[in-house]
Amino acid sequence: KAGVTQTPRYLIKTRGQQVTLSCSPISGHRSVSWYQQTPGQGLQFLFEYFSETQRNKGNFPGRFSGRQFSNSRSEMNVSTLELGDSALYLCASSFRDRGPGELFFGEGSRLTVL
Amino acid sequence: AQSVTQLGSHVSVSEGALVLLRCNYSSSVPPYLFWYVQYPNQGLQLLLKYTSAATLVKGINGFEAEFKKSETSFHLTKPSAHMSDAAEYFCAVSLSGNTGKLIFGQGTTLQVKP
Repeated sequence: KAGVTQTPRYLIKTRGQQVTLSCSPISGHRSVSWYQQTPGQGLQFLFEYFSETQRNKGNFPGRFSGRQFSNSRSEMNVSTLELGDSALYLCASSFRDRGPGELFFGEGSRLTVL
Repeated sequence: AQSVTQLGSHVSVSEGALVLLRCNYSSSVPPYLFWYVQYPNQGLQLLLKYTSAATLVKGINGFEAEFKKSETSFHLTKPSAHMSDAAEYFCAVSLSGNTGKLIFGQGTTLQVKP
């Protein structure tokens, strides 16, 4: 059974640019969540999508957005990149509607903003 | 508001020694609690979870954790550390089981000395 796949794994952007990250969940999982991981702030929740609808949102500016497609694949977009956006962005998938379960994480997309 | 505090950002033990990683949570209602492990350049993997079925929870790789409501704690233990246990460990909390939103602690890096 394939795990959560995130692309690209590494990318370098400059300030002001925008970036799109992709996440393919485990087959059958309809929930996809995104997290930002930095040395200073740790793991912070960005947003969660379930059946193409945003169900939860963290405390991030509007530059951070996401969407989910009918096949449960998800993308997140960060516009007008700032240096502080440099981080590991982790995607996690789960069933969500089957009670308290675990999140399955991908290996992340490491974004460096210069 | 929910929060998680992990006492000790770095813990060092000798191989074969007891591992104890501390986690305290703040929640107004009984929470769901999780411990995740992250190896270098990888995503997070669930070690164990508390969902009110039993206060002593056994997880993978010989780890276990005990939920103590009176102390609002969920400490992670392992009787005998292996070199392969060296990683970063995260405690996380959720008020609802049907969500991909977790609040993570800052993490504890476990070093295992030969």
